[in-house]
Amino acid sequence: SQQGEEDPQALSIQEGENATMNCSYKTSINNLQWYRQNSGRGLVHLILIRSNEREKHSGRLRVTLDTSKKSSSLLITASRAADTASYFCATTGTSGSARQLTFGSGTQLTVLP
Amino acid sequence: DAGVIQSPRHEVTEMGQEVTLRCKPISGHNSLFWYRQTMMRGLELLIYFNNNVPIDDSGMPEDRFSAKMPNASFSTLKIQPSEPRDSAVYFCASSLGDRDTQYFGPGTRLTVL
Repeated sequence: SQQGEEDPQALSIQEGENATMNCSYKTSINNLQWYRQNSGRGLVHLILIRSNEREKHSGRLRVTLDTSKKSSSLLITASRAADTASYFCATTGTSGSARQLTFGSGTQLTVLP
Repeated sequence: DAGVIQSPRHEVTEMGQEVTLRCKPISGHNSLFWYRQTMMRGLELLIYFNNNVPIDDSGMPEDRFSAKMPNASFSTLKIQPSEPRDSAVYFCASSLGDRDTQYFGPGTRLTVL
């Protein structure tokens, strides 16, 4: 079963608005990462947050992590049409075969100009 | 650095034929990952290598799939014989360590007729 599950599956907003995507996971993690995928392209790493961190910023991105609730959120502020893409959360576990990244099913974000 | 390089970018073949996908990871990265992405199943990890050694191949769907990493700068994923249900986009990714940020290649879009 997938470790990370994003919510919502699809999100449509107007340019300039903020976009919030959520991710829930099931088991203990070492870190959680967010990736973006433009249509027909590979995944691009956005940000990594470790299990002992609660919040992290990178430009217009803000990621939070709540290990007690096993959830994370990705906030994109002042969205642009170029932010239109699928966004995936991915987790790495703490041992053994869980070391590899496990991806969720993604949130399709559409930013309307 | 040129990033992760995959070839070919597109492959169309007939059922029963052998298909070989190639990947050159980022120089200096010790971990290499092969993923498959489909609409139905999302992004799935097939296999990953650490220091050229296969660590976890539990995601390889069948014996028709095999992967090798003869040296630190090259890996192949082979499907023999190919079937229509193998049609997908296959991504290769590399990272410094198996829990670090993964950098994805552009993918190979495989169509098996």
